[in-house]
Amino acid sequence: AQSVAQPEDQVNVAEGNPLTVKCTYSVSGNPYLFWYVQYPNRGLQFLLKYITGDNLVKGSYGFEAEFNKSQTSFHLKKPSALVSDSALYFCAVRDGVDSNYQLIWGAGTKLIIKP
Amino acid sequence: GAGVSQSPRYKVAKRGQDVALRCDPISGHVSLFWYQQALGQGPEFLTYFQNEAQLDKSGLPSDRFFAERPEGSVSTLKIQRTQQEDSAVYLCASSPGREQFFGPGTRLTVL
Repeated sequence: AQSVAQPEDQVNVAEGNPLTVKCTYSVSGNPYLFWYVQYPNRGLQFLLKYITGDNLVKGSYGFEAEFNKSQTSFHLKKPSALVSDSALYFCAVRDGVDSNYQLIWGAGTKLIIKP
Repeated sequence: GAGVSQSPRYKVAKRGQDVALRCDPISGHVSLFWYQQALGQGPEFLTYFQNEAQLDKSGLPSDRFFAERPEGSVSTLKIQRTQQEDSAVYLCASSPGREQFFGPGTRLTVL
């Protein structure tokens, strides 16, 4: 069965420090992996994706994520956190067959950046 | 460019009323999804369209929920005889292929 785990409900980071939001997954085939961010009273905004190629993927707002096949992980990272990065972050995965359209979502991680 | 838009942004309904939620996807996007999202949780899949065809409605919680996309563009999610448990944010997303792009959502509150 396909699944996504975001093991931390909340991550607290001081402004200017590096941040990591963790995600692990389970799919039967090659994964398509996604990160989305949700600000209060807003919809989900696409941050970045891994489909194939380089394991390090760069996305919007200075975020990046590293695909690790052996650890089945796709952790979201940023070298220097901003207070404005505070939001709810969702990891999602789907089986990498284009006919498989359904995304499996993690439960979300609340990121709090303190000044 | 224009993103996915949804209307209304907020809807308050009395229990038993019917509601209709509209989604305008990004022009040219073949795929359209509806999700239900409870506060602080991830989206729960409701239904999927490819053009005007509803290919998957397995996530619709009851037969009170109905979605359509008659011309393969705008979609409407209708909820009949609303119940308090229907209170949630309803998200629409469109996709050109792999990633999905979301609208701002409609927050439905059933009193």
